[in-house]
Amino acid sequence: EPEVTQTPSHQVTQMGQEVILRCVPISNHLYFYWYRQILGQKVEFLVSFYNNEISEKSEIFDDQFSVERPDGSNFTLKIRSTKLEDSAMYFCASRSTANTYEQYFGPGTRLTVT
Amino acid sequence: GNSVTQMEGPVTLSEEAFLTINCTYTATGYPSLFWYVQYPGEGLQLLLKATKADDKGSNKGFEATYRKETTSFHLEKGSVQVSDSAVYFCALMESGGGADGLTFGKGTHLIIQP
Repeated sequence: EPEVTQTPSHQVTQMGQEVILRCVPISNHLYFYWYRQILGQKVEFLVSFYNNEISEKSEIFDDQFSVERPDGSNFTLKIRSTKLEDSAMYFCASRSTANTYEQYFGPGTRLTVT
Repeated sequence: GNSVTQMEGPVTLSEEAFLTINCTYTATGYPSLFWYVQYPGEGLQLLLKATKADDKGSNKGFEATYRKETTSFHLEKGSVQVSDSAVYFCALMESGGGADGLTFGKGTHLIIQP
């Protein structure tokens, strides 16, 4: 069964450093998402991406964040200058078409900013 | 804006007990509703969904009915197992397709004791 994959599973970085989190969505899906879950809190929507551009973003997704689909398979989230409060689990998700509702989630990347 | 409210956990039950996890929502329009489950150390998995009023979603013995009049989508299971121990998230997505992100509740930690 096809699945969303994410790398790395755990990333440790120092405050102020740039990080790139990588995702490989399910191959025929068209909509891509990033979410984050700070420890003990709810899962929060960050951004959605369709047709090579951002479709929607939350207020969390400020200028420090960017997303990219550099080739036909990868979908990346970049945090330009990490802060302590960026420490969280980051989930990538994908959805096949506008007429389907299911989003399929990857296993997540745990980002720890020290 | 949209919001989802779930009963606070943890919820502790004995094996074979009846389960209800309450979920109510606030949304403009008529959203699609979902239950996701997160097993320890894993990502989010779609458990069931309902896309319009009075729809009943079901999977693995779990059920939830979309109640527009009470803006609710309570999760139920007639006889829980130890393997059902996980965190359960209620979520909504605005209708109309597109690339809207999911709005999640805070999650309910379910513990089933043998």
